[in-house]
Amino acid sequence: ETGVTQTPRHLVMGMTNKKSLKCEQHLGHNAMYWYKQSAKKPLELMFVYSLEERVENNSVPSRFSPECPNSSHLFLHLHTLQPEDSALYLCASSQGVAGVGNEQFFGPGTRLTVL
Amino acid sequence: GDSVTQMEGPVTLSEEAFLTINCTYTATGYPSLFWYVQYPGEGLQLLLKATKADDKGSNKGFEATYRKETTSFHLEKGSVQVSDSAVYFCAHMNTGFQKLVFGTGTRLLVSP
Repeated sequence: ETGVTQTPRHLVMGMTNKKSLKCEQHLGHNAMYWYKQSAKKPLELMFVYSLEERVENNSVPSRFSPECPNSSHLFLHLHTLQPEDSALYLCASSQGVAGVGNEQFFGPGTRLTVL
Repeated sequence: GDSVTQMEGPVTLSEEAFLTINCTYTATGYPSLFWYVQYPGEGLQLLLKATKADDKGSNKGFEATYRKETTSFHLEKGSVQVSDSAVYFCAHMNTGFQKLVFGTGTRLLVSP
């Protein structure tokens, strides 16, 4: 595997289910991100982890719970979601969280549908 | 607050036509500017970037120039191909903390 991978690619869940999204980066980076991409809205940054510590949480509802066990893996645990949470969830990684023009590398995303 | 404004899509062009996608931004300080591209079913890929005023980013025939005076970073390509059909996102990032602020994206459709 190369780059940033995400599993599953598609997920359909009911509002009472609990599921998790997984992201893995093979780039040796030390920062990882979760974004939400909804139709006709800008990408929304949800969480940022640097060296496995959360450094940003953009007022995301508690039904989304991130976990970063090491610098290569990032999870997003989901429970009691709402239909408006249906979106494409993108993971990204970078070398550091500060600096001029550091590139973020994105995974292909998980398409989540909440029924 | 910080924001990025892109032209509404879709932009529909014939192959070999000239492309311009407008992007303006609002930010404090001197942000780095980016264009990302998203092909169907894929994540975002960095297309080009510029880190200071008057810099020109270029890649795969696409160009954009960092215009501080007009706070703009318009994307251009002289001759588009069908394979350029995708969604293009303009974004900026302040130097102090790597938080990307994205526009809503512009879908480009190129027909043969």
